[in-house]
This record gives sequence, C-alpha cells and structure tokens, in this order.
Amino acid sequence: GAVVSQHPSWVICKSGTSVKIECRSLDFQATTMFWYRQFPKQSLMLMATSNEGSKATYEQGVEKDKFLINHASLTLSTLTVTSAHPEDSSFYICSARPTSGRGLDEQFFGPGTRLTVL
Amino acid sequence: GEDVEQSLFLSVREGDSSVINCTYTDSSSTYLYWYKQEPGAGLQLLTYIFSNMDMKQDQRLTVLLNKKDKHLSLRIADTQTGDSAIYFCAESKGTYKYIFGTGTRLKVLA
Repeated sequence: GAVVSQHPSWVICKSGTSVKIECRSLDFQATTMFWYRQFPKQSLMLMATSNEGSKATYEQGVEKDKFLINHASLTLSTLTVTSAHPEDSSFYICSARPTSGRGLDEQFFGPGTRLTVL
Repeated sequence: GEDVEQSLFLSVREGDSSVINCTYTDSSSTYLYWYKQEPGAGLQLLTYIFSNMDMKQDQRLTVLLNKKDKHLSLRIADTQTGDSAIYFCAESKGTYKYIFGTGTRLKVLA
C-alpha cells in the first residue's frame, strides 16, 4: 500500500514550452501533497505544498507563476513548469501525505520526474 | 537556521557496519527520518524515530538520537552491495514540512 506514482518519468522539451507533471496517490487519499526539486548530487528542496481544493503554498524564492500547481482531487496533484528554460532542468519529486495518517507525519514519495530543457 | 548536515561520502566493505551521521539545528523537531534513494529513483523510507526516543532498532538498522547534541545516526549492520545508495536524514515538526539533509552517498565495496 501507500504507492505514489509520477508521470512522466522523464521528459525532454524545448525552451519556452510548458511541461505538466502528474503526481497520483494510487491506494490512498491525500489532502496534502508536496513538490520537491533535486539538483544533481544535492538534497531535496521543498518547492510548494499542494492542498486539495485550495491554493498551493510556495516556499520562499519559488515563483508561483512559473510553477503552477493544481490539486483538483484527493489523489492527483499536477505541477506545470511554464515557459521552461534550461535552468529548470532538474529532478522533480512529489510526495503525498495520507488523509488518514498514522500520526507519524509521514509522506510517501513518488519515483520522480527528470526534466531536461534544451 | 534549518540546515541539516551530513557527510557527503562513505565507503565500506561488504559485511562491515556503516554509520551515517546527521546533524540538525532545530530542537523542536518532532520526527526524524532516514530515507534511501537509489539512482534515478524516489525516496524510500527506511526508518524513523520520535524525538523523545534515544534509540530504535529495526532488523539491520539502528537509529541513535542525541537531542542534546542534535545528532542523529543510522547504523547499517552487515552492509550489502544492495545498500549502496544515497541516504538522507530529514526532520519534521509536525507541520508536515520536511527539511532534508544534504545526503550521504554510501558505496559498498565487494
């Protein structure tokens, strides 16, 4: 149980295009999902917290108009990188917190999406 | 600050024990976690410890927490080649916001 999927696994796009990444909780509901960014050989940096039915909360320094987040259902959050540029190339990882949690503050992580912008 | 520090690399021989260290700065953290990341993959939760515990053992894994020094460690007994990965510690304060460490790349030599 507690599986989180991401689609696509990897994507290559041209500079200036927009890319949408999906994060799904497959066997549980998640009121809250998180989007992280990981540069090569670096740690995960939280970009934003996505709440079902409301606006996402962005971390300091993350452009909300650049990284559009939509959490339309309890099992799906999407991250759209708008007008992507080479510096947006990174590994994007989502996580989901079960609505019916164990009180552990636990998040389940997706396998990540590698974005390469040419 | 919110820095969580880890040593970058660790190399051990197969069958030896590995100890990965983590230093955090926020004493109000509620939970501390250890995650494993294999190449090109997401994060897998290995174990966690609640902040009022000193030690937790789970099969080959032993977690030690020294709250006074804000030091967390993960010991892997009988390290195998399949344990080669990047290991991240993370802390949370019950707000669901994780702060990840810088990651330790463990290489197990056959």
